[in-house]
Amino acid sequence: NAGVMQNPRHLVRRRGQEARLRCSPMKGHSHVYWYRQLPEEGLKFMVYLQKENIIDESGMPKERFSAEFPKEGPSILRIQQVVRGDSAAYFCASSPETNTEAFFGQGTRLTVV
Amino acid sequence: AQSVTQPDIHITVSEGASLELRCNYSYGATPYLFWYVQSPGQGLQLLLKYFSGDTLVQGIKGFEAEFKRSQSSFNLRKPSVHWSDAAEYFCAVGDAGGTSYGKLTFGQGTILTVHP
Repeated sequence: NAGVMQNPRHLVRRRGQEARLRCSPMKGHSHVYWYRQLPEEGLKFMVYLQKENIIDESGMPKERFSAEFPKEGPSILRIQQVVRGDSAAYFCASSPETNTEAFFGQGTRLTVV
Repeated sequence: AQSVTQPDIHITVSEGASLELRCNYSYGATPYLFWYVQSPGQGLQLLLKYFSGDTLVQGIKGFEAEFKRSQSSFNLRKPSVHWSDAAEYFCAVGDAGGTSYGKLTFGQGTILTVHP
């Protein structure tokens, strides 16, 4: 049973470009969570999705960031017009139900140059 | 709002020594508490969790943690540290609304260095 798969593992973007981060949850998991880990900081919750629904986006920046979890395919975290401050590690986690712990992927390290 | 504090940013111990990593939380009701470990460049691995019941919980890799409601603490312990335990450790509390254990508030992390 493969774990949570994130790709790419490393992503370099120039300022102003778009970044797309993908997360395939564990088999049988329908709940996905995105976190951001800025340098020298802990992980901060961004958004919680179920299939085709955003449940909680209280941690998402108001502009340039969006997330989706379509009926088919991986969850996508999209960052438009990236800036240097977006450089961070982005982690995805998934769970089968709400009352079970989440399992984390290995993260995508985004570097904006 | 819920919060988690890990007072120690960096801890160094000798291999074979005992270890205790501190975690204090702020939460209005019975918390759901977790400890995760992160090796450099890797994702997070769940060490153990507390939902209810016995306040002393056992985890993987020989770790245990004790929930103390009176002290709002959930400290992580290991009786004898191995060099492979060197990593960063995160304490986390589950969502205040109790709607999902995947929505977590993390502490700042404690970096553990192990000397031979």
